[in-house]
Amino acid sequence: RKEVEQDPGPFNVPEGATVAFNCTYSNSASQSFFWYRQDCRKEPKLLMSVYSSGNEDGRFTAQLNRASQYISLLIRDSKLSDSATYLCVVSGGSGTYKYIFGTGTRLKVLA
Amino acid sequence: SQTIHQWPATLVQPVGSPLSLECTVEGTSNPNLYWYRQAAGRGLQLLFYSVGIGQISSEVPQNLSASRPQDRQFILSSKKLLLSDSGFYLCAWSPGLAPLTQYFGPGTRLLVL
Repeated sequence: RKEVEQDPGPFNVPEGATVAFNCTYSNSASQSFFWYRQDCRKEPKLLMSVYSSGNEDGRFTAQLNRASQYISLLIRDSKLSDSATYLCVVSGGSGTYKYIFGTGTRLKVLA
Repeated sequence: SQTIHQWPATLVQPVGSPLSLECTVEGTSNPNLYWYRQAAGRGLQLLFYSVGIGQISSEVPQNLSASRPQDRQFILSSKKLLLSDSGFYLCAWSPGLAPLTQYFGPGTRLLVL
């Protein structure tokens, strides 16, 4: 089993749609969780951290389910500019150097 | 504010040639520094990390090496490149260990022919 697993997609959605991605992780000791966005041929950029109670940033909502070991990202009112690959990132545990990256979920928002 | 630079942006090298990629960070001191490689269609693979000058930890045995000659400088090297070394090389920094966030440089796209 991979340490961090994501559906590679692509998810093709129309503008204005709501789309959700899930990511599962295998290390129950993981304590830090992030979503990064990566545009084609560019570096990953932090989208948001994921907190235990869930958190929202504008149209983006992240949730953490420790019991089932998955995190999710919900994008509401999709924009063309949201088209990108979304990377799920999990740390190996508090105080660790190691961040494990998923292979990403590709999103295409269509006009 | 902090910025991270990488160069060159792209590189085409023959098999068996040496490699030197450089990464520098500005606006912070004593950062943790990381080298990742992203092969086509695959996730980011951690190659090396460093918590201080001269301190390098390797994640994966390979023909690459890393050095940190100065606090905010991280260099990735190889004496002889292999075809399998092709990929997108990303340098990242963080202000400390997890759960602190990592920030990435613009990357170097390497093609070994």
